[in-house]
Amino acid sequence: DAGITQSPRYKITETGRQVTLMCHQTWSHSYMFWYRQDLGHGLRLIYYSAAADITDKGEVPDGYVVSRSKTENFPLTLESATRSQTSVYFCASSESISDSAEGYTFGSGTRLTVV
Amino acid sequence: GQSLEQPSEVTAVEGAIVQINCTYQTSGFYGLSWYQQHDGGAPTFLSYNALDGLEETGRFSSFLSRSDSYGYLLLQELQMKDSASYFCAVLYSSASKIIFGSGTRLSIRP
Repeated sequence: DAGITQSPRYKITETGRQVTLMCHQTWSHSYMFWYRQDLGHGLRLIYYSAAADITDKGEVPDGYVVSRSKTENFPLTLESATRSQTSVYFCASSESISDSAEGYTFGSGTRLTVV
Repeated sequence: GQSLEQPSEVTAVEGAIVQINCTYQTSGFYGLSWYQQHDGGAPTFLSYNALDGLEETGRFSSFLSRSDSYGYLLLQELQMKDSASYFCAVLYSSASKIIFGSGTRLSIRP
């Protein structure tokens, strides 16, 4: 099925563990993004990628690592999870950075709890 | 830094009209977008304005005034299903990425 999928949908992990959130899109969009959403903060950009092997930091990159070896995949890794990283994580994709007529398409999100 | 301001909550009556405002920092502004998000769901794209004026899509319209660094989302003939959070988002040319506001929670009463 065409679209953008995130996995897992829910994840509980312990402080200090490494955890990877997956994002896969089938449109071959050039741009992919990772946002986190917390109450009172809206959506904050963690990392984004303009193409395979090209990534850049967003507003809140500390504690996260990304890679993009293939156009369709953009995994987000928390190297050593902390409680402050408890959040809902959204992946998004777009053909254009300018978010023109189509806008960004978001995945369903991953609700991560760090205990 | 680059920041957006929008009201945190708005309440309206079913069938009425509501306007959600958004102000932004002017420097490097490229375009203004609006997204809708229902509880537990993902944000979905509603509209985009790069030029001054009103863009209409069915019951929803979005307006931009670049000279006032201001935009709004207008929802007409409100339905209960319009109860959701609405985010304005700005692309700054210097940043090559979109910054989202904190969102406006719209509650609709029968």
